[in-house]
Amino acid sequence: KNEVEQSPQNLTAQEGEFITINCSYSVGISALHWLQQHPGGGIVSLFMLSSGKKKHGRLIATINIQEKHSSLHITASHPRDSAVYICAVSGNYGGATNKLIFGTGTLLAVQP
Amino acid sequence: DTGVSQDPRHKITKRGQNVTFRCDPISEHNRLYWYRQTLGQGPEFLTYFQNEAQLEKSRLLSDRFSAERPKGSFSTLEIQRTEQGDSAMYLCASSLANLAGGPGNEQFFGPGTRLTVL
Repeated sequence: KNEVEQSPQNLTAQEGEFITINCSYSVGISALHWLQQHPGGGIVSLFMLSSGKKKHGRLIATINIQEKHSSLHITASHPRDSAVYICAVSGNYGGATNKLIFGTGTLLAVQP
Repeated sequence: DTGVSQDPRHKITKRGQNVTFRCDPISEHNRLYWYRQTLGQGPEFLTYFQNEAQLEKSRLLSDRFSAERPKGSFSTLEIQRTEQGDSAMYLCASSLANLAGGPGNEQFFGPGTRLTVL
């Protein structure tokens, strides 16, 4: 079992829909990260959170530490939101301070 | 551009050849990470530097892999005697240590170097 699990693996939505991507983890963490990766491109950090909820534009990230679960929501989705969304956790694992352990990503396609 | 840069962006090599990648982190960042990402998978941790000290290497990193950060600024990742299984995207990230403790700082990623071993 992977230490970070995401669902769904693939998601197709129509423009304007509300989107939710889920992440569960099984290790202790210092923080949870949501990242975005466009095809062939680098990774951009969207959120880093250790409790509660953060909002940036149409993106909202929440975390429940007790349940070891986080969600990324996209409101009023747009085709330009199409990308891979990756959940990752960070902590002091085996000596590497704050190295990231990644989920496998959710491929989102938003159709016009 | 003050972000993380990587060079080259793409590298095609023949099996058995040596390759070297470079990462230039954000200038004031003291932590530097190398990750590897294969197609359809999330990235996996390879190694980590705090300043010039390499503090951890993943067991994914065989003896053919070596990384350096000689002056605590840029870093190089060398793969000797490349194998087809080394084909992947190699990602570099940097961050600023949170000396006061807490959850640590956000990591900033470079564009990656895509390696293809024929």
